Amino acid sequence: DAGVIQSPRHEVTEMGQEVTLRCKPISGHNSLFWYRQTMMRGLELLIYFNNNVPIDDSGMPEDRFSAKMPNASFSTLKIQPSEPRDSAVYFCASSLAGASGGHEADTQYFGPGTRLTVL
Amino acid sequence: AQKVTQAQTEISVVEKEDVTLDCVYETRDTTYYLFWYKQPPSGELVFLIRRNSFDEQNEISGRYSWNFQKSTSSFNFTITASQVVDSAVYFCALSEGWSSASKIIFGSGTRLSIRP
Repeated sequence: DAGVIQSPRHEVTEMGQEVTLRCKPISGHNSLFWYRQTMMRGLELLIYFNNNVPIDDSGMPEDRFSAKMPNASFSTLKIQPSEPRDSAVYFCASSLAGASGGHEADTQYFGPGTRLTVL
Repeated sequence: AQKVTQAQTEISVVEKEDVTLDCVYETRDTTYYLFWYKQPPSGELVFLIRRNSFDEQNEISGRYSWNFQKSTSSFNFTITASQVVDSAVYFCALSEGWSSASKIIFGSGTRLSIRP
């Protein structure tokens, strides 16, 4: 089975440009999470969705960041305008939430990440 | 508030030594999950194990073993006969409760280096 798919794997852009990161969760999973990882702050949860609905976006750093999940198999994280301090690895993860007792329930599986560099 | 503490920032051992990575957590929930993830130098995050708060049985998987003790709020991870391929950053994590779409709180990670 395919795991979580993220694209692009690497993105280099200039300050002020719009950046869109994409994620395809594992088929059948109903929750999707966006994380950012930096040396200084470690792994930070930015936002997560359940059944395509945003549940908690308290981790989104500021209005320049937005995320959507138009359907169960696709999500985007957009940064507009981008700044050098946004440089990080962005991970998408998905899980099957709410399946009580199941081995797979509530375990987040991560994509390979997108390494973003903003010059 | 939930919190996960991995006090060991970096550990370096010689191959074939046993090594234990410590994890201490804080939560007011009575039902929760604990996790360990591995991040090798290639950068991906690999799920290793999940335990629920009602199951304190230790678990062994090959050279890996996990010791969950609710009395001390710890979920430690031991690698027996370490190998160079075990070199990675290891994250301990805690879920918020046990319901739909639970958030996971990650520790800061322990960087493990295995020297040949």
